Amino acid sequence: KAGVTQTPRYLIKTRGQQVTLSCSPISGHRSVSWYQQTPGQGLQFLFEYFSETQRNKGNFPGRFSGRQFSNSRSEMNVSTLELGDSALYLCASSLAFGPAVSPLHFGNGTRLTVT
Amino acid sequence: DQQVKQNSPSLSVQEGRISILNCDYTNSMFDYFLWYKKYPAEGPTFLISISSIKDKNEDGRFTVFLNKSAKHLSLHIVPSQPGDSAVYFCAANEGAQKLVFGQGTRLTINP
Repeated sequence: KAGVTQTPRYLIKTRGQQVTLSCSPISGHRSVSWYQQTPGQGLQFLFEYFSETQRNKGNFPGRFSGRQFSNSRSEMNVSTLELGDSALYLCASSLAFGPAVSPLHFGNGTRLTVT
Repeated sequence: DQQVKQNSPSLSVQEGRISILNCDYTNSMFDYFLWYKKYPAEGPTFLISISSIKDKNEDGRFTVFLNKSAKHLSLHIVPSQPGDSAVYFCAANEGAQKLVFGQGTRLTINP
């Protein structure tokens, strides 16, 4: 069974630009979450989608947005990039409600560098 | 406000000995806790979890202990192996699939 696939693996953008990251969950998984990992802050929750609906959102500015398609694939968009957005962006998928039933399975991430 | 804290950024242990990784939390509403392991250039991998109604969960060489009164959990690895060298994150469930992660502890197993 294929794992969570994130594309691209690496991205270099300049300040002010926008970027779209893509995530394909494990087959059959309908919940997709996004996390930002930085050296100082660890992993921070961005948002979670289930059946094309955003169920939960973290404390990030509105420049960060996402969506989920009917095939459960998800995209994350960051507009007006800032230097502080440089991070590893991780996507995770799971089967159902709650980690007690289905722990998150993470992809290998997209490393975004903003110059 | 860091709700989940791993106060040791790094830990070095001799191969074959016990590794103990610690994690503290502040939110008493957390009802489920997980440990993830992360190798460089890879995403975190689920290791073991524990419900707040339990105080211990064991899976092979890995045991997680939960002390609710102290808001503290720990991961024990016995015996430690070189392949265990990685960054370990503890996480707490804040509802649905939202996890609050600690900042991670880098474990190095020395031969």
